[in-house]
Amino acid sequence: EVQLVESGGGLVQPGRSLRLSCAASGFTFSDYAISWVRQAPGKGLEWVGFIRSKAYTGTAEYAASVNGRFTISRDDSKSIAYLQMNSLKTEDTAVYYCTLEAGDYWGQGTLVTVSS
Amino acid sequence: DIQMTQSPSSLSASVGDRVTITCQASQDISNYLNWYQQKPGKAPKLLIYDASNLETGVPSRFSGSGSGTDFTFSISSLQPEDIATYYCQQYDDLLRTFGQGTKLEIK
Repeated sequence: EVQLVESGGGLVQPGRSLRLSCAASGFTFSDYAISWVRQAPGKGLEWVGFIRSKAYTGTAEYAASVNGRFTISRDDSKSIAYLQMNSLKTEDTAVYYCTLEAGDYWGQGTLVTVSS
Repeated sequence: DIQMTQSPSSLSASVGDRVTITCQASQDISNYLNWYQQKPGKAPKLLIYDASNLETGVPSRFSGSGSGTDFTFSISSLQPEDIATYYCQQYDDLLRTFGQGTKLEIK
């Protein structure tokens, strides 16, 4: 059974950093691109970015709203994807989901609250 | 970035009604479009991929059509469990984008 489990969310002050993890199981993690999507409270879905599999360069793409502040990486030996979030802003407050890039499997989400 | 314009933003319908949601892309995205259902407090669920293909296990009352810039999502006979917010998402461009969502309610 495919499972994606996010962790690492919490309360953080503006300007600080936080790293989210997405632990995967039930499939060959290294074969798949992984995306991050967020949802601010009461708002719609916002695509954050994705990381390709190593077979397709392993590089990442980012939404303009996070480009230069967020970095997606992966550790295929541990079947974990990461979202490193730096210079956090109050508008980054959201539930963060990881998903297979095709959109067919999602984690349960982890809440990040950026507030002083 | 490709902009995805969904309409309506909210919709009220009766059980058994046919419901239709549209999604318009700001440029040609071929058929690279997903439709998702999201219920409160839950992760989105993929219903339709490649604009018109039903994801495995999704009831056949859900359907999608369109290509290029104009797309349609339909529920042939609305059921109480279909109450949710629905989103389109394009994946033609490297920078994926979602529509703003359509909140579906029972009349």
